[in-house]
Amino acid sequence: QKEVEQNSGPLSVPEGAIASLNCTYSDRVSQSFFWYRQYSGKSPELIMSIYSNGDKEDGRFTAQLNKASQYVSLLIRDSQPSDSATYLCAVSDYKLSFGAGTTVTVRA
Amino acid sequence: EADIYQTPRYLVIGTGKKITLECSQTMGHDKMYWYQQDPGMELHLIHYSYGVNSTEKGDLSSESTVSRIRTEHFPLTLESARPSHTSQYLCASTRTSGTNEQFFGPGTRLTVL
Repeated sequence: QKEVEQNSGPLSVPEGAIASLNCTYSDRVSQSFFWYRQYSGKSPELIMSIYSNGDKEDGRFTAQLNKASQYVSLLIRDSQPSDSATYLCAVSDYKLSFGAGTTVTVRA
Repeated sequence: EADIYQTPRYLVIGTGKKITLECSQTMGHDKMYWYQQDPGMELHLIHYSYGVNSTEKGDLSSESTVSRIRTEHFPLTLESARPSHTSQYLCASTRTSGTNEQFFGPGTRLTVL
């Protein structure tokens, strides 16, 4: 079993809708959780960090963490065509482990 | 904001050539990493370093080697490039203490003919 699993894509949403991305992890001692956005041909860019249970909001992005369920999610509200990218979930205890990514396409 | 640089950004080279991909960061980060990523595929960690004179192999076996003589510099070398080495190579760094947020450089896209 992989350390970090993301919901398989691609995920297609209409402009203005909410895109919901899910991630589960296997290591219970993980302490830090991140979401990266990667445009095609570019390097990953850190967009959200979350360390404690609950929700964290930053603009149109909301990260949700549930350590008991070993689950972290990312919501993108009011999706825009510029949000079309691959989103990588990353989980850290002493090292950072990345998921395979979920590709999101926002339809205009 | 992260300041991490990679050169060259694009490299096309013939089989058998020796190449060095450069990575530098100006943030004083102790930890640095090299990832390999094929188009549309997962990131694979190939090398990492926790400080000067410290280098370790990552999860994916790689024929490349790395060195860490200075904190800010973490070059990756291929002694004899092959077409199977064609890929994107991404360098990242993070603070020693704290949350392990990694910041990535722009990447080097390598094509071996």
